[in-house]
Amino acid sequence: GAVVSQHPSRVICKSGTSVKIECRSLDFQATTMFWYRQFPKKSLMLMATSNEGSKATYEQGVEKDKFLINHASLTLSTLTVTSAHPEDSSFYICSARELAGREGYFGPGTRLTVL
Amino acid sequence: GQNIDQPTEMTATEGAIVQINCTYQTSGFNGLFWYQQHAGEAPTFLSYNVLDGLEEKGRFSSFLSRSKGYSYLLLKELQMKDSASYLCAVIPGDYKLSFGAGTTVTVRA
Repeated sequence: GAVVSQHPSRVICKSGTSVKIECRSLDFQATTMFWYRQFPKKSLMLMATSNEGSKATYEQGVEKDKFLINHASLTLSTLTVTSAHPEDSSFYICSARELAGREGYFGPGTRLTVL
Repeated sequence: GQNIDQPTEMTATEGAIVQINCTYQTSGFNGLFWYQQHAGEAPTFLSYNVLDGLEEKGRFSSFLSRSKGYSYLLLKELQMKDSASYLCAVIPGDYKLSFGAGTTVTVRA
């Protein structure tokens, strides 16, 4: 099946710093990428949807100035958590879908811990 | 908003069969997924249903009834490695995948 990578897999940072997470589709062109966050023992919550070359669409309650999303190419999307705080600690997962593709292929996730 | 319900936990014995039910109420329907997720890992695809009926794939089968807003995932010949969380996810009219809270399945020897 299609492969989606995420980097880094784990990151620990100090409060107030910014963290960038990369999501790459390795063997297909991802016209749409989705960013989710998941708290322990909870389901995935969609944060935003990004289409290549256009601005991301954020879900209600997600601060677009705090979670910056860039989808500059058909194989790369980045999520930057700006001025991270301990409550931003979570498991962030991206999903990539190709044009008219049926399923979303998930990246392996990034565990963010903000001290 | 979308509403997707599934049981929180289920326990079964190795070699047995377990059925995980999922009911949904969404604005539009464009398909239903089942994913498996082990602790600390991202979800992996198990099945996709868009038409009514049963889809069988090895030890796993998934059923869909669109008129009832109902699906189930059937796990046969349970193995210890099947202990995981199973997520029901629906593609509603806006094509944004919406997840249930997940069902934690524990397989005991």
